[in-house]
Amino acid sequence: SQQGEEDPQALSIQEGENATMNCSYKTSINNLQWYRQNSGRGLVHLILIRSNEREKHSGRLRVTLDTSKKSSSLLITASRAADTASYFCATNQGGKLIFGQGTELSVKP
Amino acid sequence: DSGVTQTPKHLITATGQRVTLRCSPRSGDLSVYWYQQSLDQGLQFLIQYYNGEERAKGNILERFSAQQFPDLHSELNLSSLELGDSALYFCASSPSGAIKNIQYFGAGTRLSVL
Repeated sequence: SQQGEEDPQALSIQEGENATMNCSYKTSINNLQWYRQNSGRGLVHLILIRSNEREKHSGRLRVTLDTSKKSSSLLITASRAADTASYFCATNQGGKLIFGQGTELSVKP
Repeated sequence: DSGVTQTPKHLITATGQRVTLRCSPRSGDLSVYWYQQSLDQGLQFLIQYYNGEERAKGNILERFSAQQFPDLHSELNLSSLELGDSALYFCASSPSGAIKNIQYFGAGTRLSVL
């Protein structure tokens, strides 16, 4: 079974807008990672945030982590059509990744 | 390009058959992971190998087995295939099995069981 849930399941925005995706998980974690998957292709690692970090930035990505609420969010600023993809959060349990259901993001030009 | 190579890209076979999926990890990575992605189950961890030894097992069916060879490439064997085994199968690798490691994913093998 999956670790947790992602919200929303699907998100459609215009180019230039910001996109926010949320992820909840169930167990204690060492770190939480976000991955992107273009349609039917492999997953690409985006960012990792450790349990003792509250916020992390990488280019147009901003990730927050609230361990008390067991939740994380991914913000993509100034979105582009090329950001269209599915986004997954994943927690690492003993080396194996446990993924959420993912958020399908569509960015319209 | 992640550096992880999976072959074949597509596989079409019939129920009851047996197939082998192959994965070559990134150069130097000792750990290999297999995941299954289907519409109803999402992305699920199957099994992990580290330097030739099985390290962790997920919800892998008894009809499925895997191994990692001395050159560190890995194979996932699926037998007595059923329609429900149709899915994308991903291999990932990391330098070790450590929790802090990022995993690098291959492009996947799309299996269609008819």
